[in-house]
Amino acid sequence: AQSVTQLDSHVSVSEGTPVLLRCNYSSSYSPSLFWYVQHPNKGLQLLLKYTSAATLVKGINGFEAEFKKSETSFHLTKPSAHMSDAAEYFCVVSDRRIGLHSTLTFGKGTMLLVSP
Amino acid sequence: GAGVSQSPSNKVTEKGKDVELRCDPISGHTALYWYRQSLGQGLEFLIYFQGNSAPDKSGLPSDRFSAERTGGSVSTLTIQRTQQEDSAVYLCASSFSGGSTGELFFGEGSRLTVL
Repeated sequence: AQSVTQLDSHVSVSEGTPVLLRCNYSSSYSPSLFWYVQHPNKGLQLLLKYTSAATLVKGINGFEAEFKKSETSFHLTKPSAHMSDAAEYFCVVSDRRIGLHSTLTFGKGTMLLVSP
Repeated sequence: GAGVSQSPSNKVTEKGKDVELRCDPISGHTALYWYRQSLGQGLEFLIYFQGNSAPDKSGLPSDRFSAERTGGSVSTLTIQRTQQEDSAVYLCASSFSGGSTGELFFGEGSRLTVL
């Protein structure tokens, strides 16, 4: 079984300050982990993914995430927030053991609010 | 088009009516997913199609929900005798390889409101 917990439903930051969105996961096997972003009234877009290569993963728009197996965490960070980063962010875990049909389990999302 | 296309973008219906939601995936993508997104609930998996294989229907919440995929391309999600709790955004996603690399390409969703 697998699960993912996004620890904050909302995070508020000021433009230019760092962003930290927290995600913890549970998986019986070596997981793949992803962050997706959803802007208002839009579909989800892949930000970055971890699939057993480097534990520090860089994504689009300056975001990165670090896979920490000992802490079962995959927190999303960005050094300096931009107004355009305001959106909902989803952490996703996939049990790679399943193979081609990867069952993706989505977290409940974290809404990032960016103030000027 | 270049992306996943869903229609209608918004649908308001009365309780008890049937609705059909359409998804046109990216050309060449063999895998197609339907998810339901309710406020504060994240994404709920509904059904998965992969090529000509039997679909994985394990996420469908009741027998009022069904989906088909014709010719390995366009998919239709049908909800019969709609209930108010069916109100949500229904998202379709497609991928090359069944999501094994995790990159699903999502449409913008169909927002269903059941009065």
